[in-house]
Amino acid sequence: DIQMTQSPSSVSASVGDRVTITCRASQGISSALAWYQQNPGKAPKLLIYAASSLQSGVPSRFSGSGSGTDFTLTISSLQPEDFATYYCQQANSFPITFGQGTRLEIK
Amino acid sequence: EVQLVESGGGLVQPGRSLRLSCTASGFSFGDYGMSWFRQAPGKGPEWVGFIRKTAHGGTTEYAASVKGRFTISRDDSKSLAYLQMNSLKTEDTAVYYCSRDLTYPVTKSFDYWGQGTLVTVSS
Repeated sequence: DIQMTQSPSSVSASVGDRVTITCRASQGISSALAWYQQNPGKAPKLLIYAASSLQSGVPSRFSGSGSGTDFTLTISSLQPEDFATYYCQQANSFPITFGQGTRLEIK
Repeated sequence: EVQLVESGGGLVQPGRSLRLSCTASGFSFGDYGMSWFRQAPGKGPEWVGFIRKTAHGGTTEYAASVKGRFTISRDDSKSLAYLQMNSLKTEDTAVYYCSRDLTYPVTKSFDYWGQGTLVTVSS
């Protein structure tokens, strides 16, 4: 199975800050990576697919990059509604696996 | 509007069975693969299984933790996906979500999710 490791596990930031979250795959997955945002009690929401493609309706302050084993999610200017938990998910092969999550908290 | 609605969750004793349903609307259900995920309290999402669209054989994939106990099926005529869960264990306790595979231009990324249904396995 492909293991996904996110860092940091939590980060504190302020509205307007730029934040970057990193995800590393245990083996190469080309660009087969998705990013999700999850709020408490809600289902995950797809933000980015194929490592860098913005899902329809997602604000352009979200961006993704990377290929192979190393990926990043960047939020260019944090808004109040962005404080949530973020997960990466490899889409290369079954079994589908997630990173452990990054909790983005208000400083 | 795309909607996915799960139903069938509840309290069940260890070793018993439960069937979850996912009712889809707002899109051509038969044109999409579907997946089930679960999330235990305080944990991240865990993939449970996947069913390909019928045109791709409707074949299934499962996580090792549920293989042989859980079965995913679909009824395209009713826009329904099912998760049959047998031999339930306490560690199967979670909120279960169905989701739609993006399908194009890539697969195994999930663009719509239901609200989830809670399954509690306890004596």
